[in-house]
Amino acid sequence: NAGVTQTPKFQVLKTGQSMTLQCAQDMNHNSMYWYRQDPGMGLRLIYYSASEGTTDKGEVPNGYNVSRLNKREFSLRLESAAPSQTSVYFCASIRASGSSLDTQYFGPGTRLTVL
Amino acid sequence: AQSVAQPEDQVNVAEGNPLTVKCTYSVSGNPYLFWYVQYPNRGLQFLLKYITGDNLVKGSYGFEAEFNKSQTSFHLKKPSALVSDSALYFCAVRDRRGNTPLVFGKGTRLSVIA
Repeated sequence: NAGVTQTPKFQVLKTGQSMTLQCAQDMNHNSMYWYRQDPGMGLRLIYYSASEGTTDKGEVPNGYNVSRLNKREFSLRLESAAPSQTSVYFCASIRASGSSLDTQYFGPGTRLTVL
Repeated sequence: AQSVAQPEDQVNVAEGNPLTVKCTYSVSGNPYLFWYVQYPNRGLQFLLKYITGDNLVKGSYGFEAEFNKSQTSFHLKKPSALVSDSALYFCAVRDRRGNTPLVFGKGTRLSVIA
């Protein structure tokens, strides 16, 4: 049971390049999230998928796209990377059964630098 | 709209002393409240949460948090700090209504000095 996994762990891009960050969870969770973490800014929600087949914008969606490929996988794509997208990206998931016992779990993060 | 404030960017405490990391929240209705911890170069780990019932919630690693509805606060506490507690701590809130995402505070860096 690996929990939430993310690939790659590190990435360096040049301005204008594209890339996809991959996230997978093996906990049969319904909802998945992408956050970015910047110094002094905490975690800000980029996009989320409340259930398979749905996606919604979060607080900072500009410059990103997402795909909920299946129940396990939720990818984040940068079509044309900009230096402002230099950040640490975290994927998270939660069962979202409506139970108060549900807890959100995080992946280890992807550290992205855009030159 | 939901929001979380962590008024201190940094908290320093001597090993063995009690620690408090502050959090206040704003949400319509009754909240679910959470604390997460992040160690260097790691993802966030769940510490504890308040759902309902007893205002004092106990969590992992000897941490506890007190829910105060009148002050809209959910401060994280530990009676005796360890050097290994040094990390970045995040408070988060979620509305009880529906499946809404967590909203995080900006984080508080805790340094425990030997």
